[in-house]
Amino acid sequence: DAGVTQSPTHLIKTRGQHVTLRCSPISGHKSVSWYQQVLGQGPQFIFQYYEKEERGRGNFPDRFSARQFPNYSSELNVNALLLGDSALYLCASSAYPGTPNEKLFFGSGTQLSVL
Amino acid sequence: AQKITQTQPGMFVQEKEAVTLDCTYDTSDPSYGLFWYKQPSSGEMIFLIYQGSYDQQNATEGRYSLNFQKARKSANLVISASQLGDSAMYFCAMRPQIQGAQKLVFGQGTRLTINP
Repeated sequence: DAGVTQSPTHLIKTRGQHVTLRCSPISGHKSVSWYQQVLGQGPQFIFQYYEKEERGRGNFPDRFSARQFPNYSSELNVNALLLGDSALYLCASSAYPGTPNEKLFFGSGTQLSVL
Repeated sequence: AQKITQTQPGMFVQEKEAVTLDCTYDTSDPSYGLFWYKQPSSGEMIFLIYQGSYDQQNATEGRYSLNFQKARKSANLVISASQLGDSAMYFCAMRPQIQGAQKLVFGQGTRLTINP
């Protein structure tokens, strides 16, 4: 079975541009989360979606938005890119969101570089 | 608010030796879950082990065990008989055990290097 897949794997943008990152969860998983990992740090929570509804949001500006589609895939959108948005963006899926021992299964991420 | 602290930026261990990666946490939540993830150079975060705050026994998963000391708020990962493939970044994370709580809070990570 395929794991969590993310596209593209690498992306180079310039300041002020817009970017869309895509994620397909593991088959049967209905929850998708997005994390930002700046070089040298641990991942930081951006969003979680379950059944196409936003279930949680981290401390990120409104330039960051996301959505989940009927097939449970998800998109993360970032507007007006800043140099500080350069990071590895990780998508994670889970089967039972909100349960105490919920395991997140991560993709390999999209490496975004903003020049 | 929750906070995870990993004080070892890097660890170097000989192959086949055991290694302990430190993790301390801070939370005011009455119950919570603690996780360890491995991140190889490919970038993917791989789940290793989970410990619930009310679990009576320390969690074990194959060569991984979690040394959970609740009073000290520590959740150290122990890898027995280390292998070259264990070289990676390791992250400790926590989440409150409240139904609907969504996010994992991660520490800064420890880079583990296994020497042959």
